[in-house]
Amino acid sequence: GAGVSQSPSNKVTEKGKDVELRCDPISGHTALYWYRQRLGQGLEFLIYFQGNSAPDKSGLPSDRFSAERTGESVSTLTIQRTQQEDSAVYLCASSSRGRETQYFGPGTRLLVL
Amino acid sequence: AQKITQTQPGMFVQEKEAVTLDCTYDTSDPSYGLFWYKQPSSGEMIFLIYQGSYDQQNATEGRYSLNFQKARKSANLVISASQLGDSAMYFCAMREWNTGNQFYFGTGTSLTVIP
Repeated sequence: GAGVSQSPSNKVTEKGKDVELRCDPISGHTALYWYRQRLGQGLEFLIYFQGNSAPDKSGLPSDRFSAERTGESVSTLTIQRTQQEDSAVYLCASSSRGRETQYFGPGTRLLVL
Repeated sequence: AQKITQTQPGMFVQEKEAVTLDCTYDTSDPSYGLFWYKQPSSGEMIFLIYQGSYDQQNATEGRYSLNFQKARKSANLVISASQLGDSAMYFCAMREWNTGNQFYFGTGTSLTVIP
């Protein structure tokens, strides 16, 4: 597609349930980032994928968070046993070589009740 | 220390006037990039402008320019001839090319353009 897409656009879940968020990067973009943005705050880095290299997971807040990406395609961010503090917008971004600007998807708004 | 500091939580500007949004950064990496993004109320992050640490000239993109003062470690965004559609959150970000993979974002400045 022309831009980064994310699904679902909105997700409401109950505390303790697992959720899976999906990101389709721009075709040909080798780098992919996941961020979390809590209400009224800036972006918090979660994880970075570059091609087939080992991902940089240094931003994941706990072991309940994990992400996968196969090659240079779709990525999924999984949050296990969701907590209310996980409520946020989860943004995905991709870039062409990891050195250039990122282009963001529309985000997934997650609400944990 | 914060990597990116935006000290203006909110700014107002009259339509058609220019406005400067402040951003200071902290890094010991000599090779880095500075970015500005706009986030309207709809939530998407829109790339505006990029400045590389070795760029000799200030970046410009249409009505956006980046006032890059390397010695002061500042990268202020200047929006000329403000329009009502410029009302949004603006985020400054930095990537250190030699030190990890993270983009560091500031806390943002909310800009309101007054008709």
